[in-house]
Amino acid sequence: DVVLTQSPLFLPVTLGQPASISCRSSQSLVYSGGNAYFNWFQQRPGQSPRHLIYNISNRDSGVPDRFSGSGSGSDFTLKISRVEADDVGVYYCMQHAYWPHTFGQGTKLEIK
Amino acid sequence: EVQLVESGGDLVQPGGSLRLSCAASGFIFNGFWMNWVRQAPGKGLEWVANINPDGSAKRYVDSVKGRFTISRDNDKKSVYLQMNSLRVEDTAVYFCTGWTTVTNYWGQGTLVTVSS
Repeated sequence: DVVLTQSPLFLPVTLGQPASISCRSSQSLVYSGGNAYFNWFQQRPGQSPRHLIYNISNRDSGVPDRFSGSGSGSDFTLKISRVEADDVGVYYCMQHAYWPHTFGQGTKLEIK
Repeated sequence: EVQLVESGGDLVQPGGSLRLSCAASGFIFNGFWMNWVRQAPGKGLEWVANINPDGSAKRYVDSVKGRFTISRDNDKKSVYLQMNSLRVEDTAVYFCTGWTTVTNYWGQGTLVTVSS
């Protein structure tokens, strides 16, 4: 199975400051044209996951532009330009290039 | 408004069976891959099974192969997960999700507890 390794696993951030989460895949997820079957999700406390980013860097409808994704090959990053209180939760990377689709372990973002 | 509403979660003894249902509305159901993803208490997310839009292709994670069966009824805009020979380690919230290349929708989940 493809293993996705996130870091850090715990991310305390001051309101208004940037945050960055890394995700490394055990296999390349990129296919033709530099696209990748790679997504980011946010799970707020007590809620179901919310889709943020697809194909490395494309925001889903309604996702604020404070969230951005980047990366290539097997290294990917989610950045939040200015953290707000509403951003508290666990962030997961996910690949659907190979079966079984897999998630990273999750990064818990909290406000300092 | 898009909605995915799961039902069928319950407390069941090891070796027992359950059938989860997920009713969809607000999107073109027969254009979406449908999936079940689970989350054990306090743990991360695990893909369980998926089914293509016309129901002709199904895939399962190894830990549930031969025990779980995913199916769909496009006329009823519903997807199902038949779970047999349940184990303690199947205890989780089960989420129904609908996927296309650019977006996906998630239900609120239904809790399955396997315990004697």
